[in-house]
Amino acid sequence: AQTVTQSQPEMSVQEAETVTLSCTYDTSESDYYLFWYKQPPSRQMILVIRQEAYKQQNATENRFSVNFQKAAKSFSLKISDSQLGDAAMYFCAYRTNRDDKIIFGKGTRLHILP
Amino acid sequence: NAGVMQNPRHLVRRRGQEARLRCSPMKGHSHVYWYRQLPEEGLKFMVYLQKENIIDESGMPKERFSAEFPKEGPSILRIQQVVRGDSAAYFCASSPMRGSSYNSPLHFGNGTRLTVT
Repeated sequence: AQTVTQSQPEMSVQEAETVTLSCTYDTSESDYYLFWYKQPPSRQMILVIRQEAYKQQNATENRFSVNFQKAAKSFSLKISDSQLGDAAMYFCAYRTNRDDKIIFGKGTRLHILP
Repeated sequence: NAGVMQNPRHLVRRRGQEARLRCSPMKGHSHVYWYRQLPEEGLKFMVYLQKENIIDESGMPKERFSAEFPKEGPSILRIQQVVRGDSAAYFCASSPMRGSSYNSPLHFGNGTRLTVT
């Protein structure tokens, strides 16, 4: 069965600093997609960044970047220059070509310290 | 282009009543997913539908829960005879046609928070 594990239930970072959120996944598939979603207190699920497994280059979106290690099945999210608006729950998620549903991790709550 | 619309935003039901949650997908999207989020948990897949078809309901409880996505109108998640354990946030998401959807993220609604008293 495919699983997504986020080992850090909570993290804190000083404003303007850099933080890395961990995610590992388990799959026997070779072709799949990985996502990070952000859920602020408003409860809205917002896509932060996505990565195709067949691409070796790590995805980046402004202050957000990933470290994708396919052999290790690791997909961490790095947030640079943290801002107060980055405070939220962050969910790592996985999807395959064979199956349309997205599997989510349990999330990491990120606190930004002013 | 309006996003995924869910209503109501909050729903309170007494034990034994029925809950009906509605979801209108983004324009042009024909695939709808329902997820449940318990407090301090991630989203758990429930069911995946396209119009008039249930594609995958492997995450749906076998009893009391049903979902539909008719040809016209929103998708409905129906919970009969609700119990306290059904209290959760229920999210709907949509995506375009299956063939182009594999690397597409799901577009989520803002969720319906169901409270069973």
